[in-house]
Formats: sequence, structure tokens, C-alpha cells
Amino acid sequence: ETGVTQSPTHLIKTRGQQVTLRCSSQSGHNTVSWYQQALGQGPQFIFQYYREEENGRGNFPPRFSGLQFPNYSSELNVNALELDDSALYLCASSLAGISYEQYFGPGTRLTVT
Amino acid sequence: GEDVEQSLFLSVREGDSSVINCTYTDSSSTYLYWYKQEPGAGLQLLTYIFSNMDMKQDQRLTVLLNKKDKHLSLRIADTQTGDSAIYFCAENTGFQKLVFGTGTRLLVSP
Repeated sequence: ETGVTQSPTHLIKTRGQQVTLRCSSQSGHNTVSWYQQALGQGPQFIFQYYREEENGRGNFPPRFSGLQFPNYSSELNVNALELDDSALYLCASSLAGISYEQYFGPGTRLTVT
Repeated sequence: GEDVEQSLFLSVREGDSSVINCTYTDSSSTYLYWYKQEPGAGLQLLTYIFSNMDMKQDQRLTVLLNKKDKHLSLRIADTQTGDSAIYFCAENTGFQKLVFGTGTRLLVSP
């Protein structure tokens, strides 16, 4: 069984640029959630995708957007990067309707300068 | 509102028991979780408890839930240096959206 993977591991971007982060869900899981973890804080829920549709969103602006593909992998896109977007971005996969277990990937560390 | 609170820091000696506490505010939460995060790593699911349970034991881990006081605790028996990490409690507020606490840093000294 393959765990949750994320790419890239680290990324440095300049303010105003755009970034795409990728996540492959654990084998058999159909739901992907994205979280932002600022330094010294707990993760904050960004949004969740189920069956290629957004299924719930946290308190993040529209410049945070996502996609889920037929193989259940997912992308997080952030436009017009701001310094405060610097954080660890985590994705978690789960099997909707069957289990309440969410398994996290190792994260992508984004630094905005 | 959604707010999960944890104490920031706990220091214990190897072999002692550790107890990490958490309070939450959403009484409709169905599941409550404990995750472990080591430096530079993602979150590892340690255990979780359904809201109609009072206690769950899993090897060295014991979770206690007081739903009336909205209080959750994680006890780690025979704490080892490898248990040093940040521990997050989280509540499931619907559609598998997790609300996390700020984390408790556990330091285990030899």
C-alpha cells in the first residue's frame, strides 16, 4: 500500500508569483484535503476534494484553488503569492463514507520572498 | 465556534508517563484525533476516538474523552526519547474537515 506523497519537497517563490503543489493520495482513498501549517501553528484547513469537486472550504481567499483528477491525485494552486503564504502545505487523503482516518503526506515547504 | 486549545510544552523523563491535554469547543464533533509531528515531517495519525466513547487504549497510548467538559487527553505510558515530538489534537467538524490545536511540544529526557 502506497502512502500519501507530495511534490516538491521545498519551493522558493517571489511575492506575486503563482505556485502549484501536488499530492498523490494513498491507494484506495478518494478524498483529498489540503492544510496550511504556518511556523509554530497547527494546520489550518484550506479545502477538500471528493470525486473531483470541492467539498468544503476553510477561511482562505479565492486565490487558493485546487483540482482533483480521476485517479484522485490533487493539485493546490496559489496565485499572487504573499509573504504570509510561507508555510508547510500538507495534504491528507481519506476514504469518504467508510473511514474517518485521514493520512497526511510529508508536506511541501513553501517560502515566499 | 471552532477553537482547540492545548498547553504548549511538556517535559518528562524517560520511563515516566506523559499526559497531554486538549479542550475543544464544537460539541457536534464526531471524532477526535491525536497526531504526532516530528521535526520537518508531516503528521502521523496516532489514534482517534469516537465521541460516544469515554476511553480508548492502544498499546502504550490511552485516550480519555470527557464530552461534558469537552476535554480530551492522551496518555503515553513508559515514554521514550523517540516520543519527543509535537502532538496535535484535532476534532472532526464535518465532511472530514479537521480543526487542529496549536500543538504540545513533548520533550523526553534520558
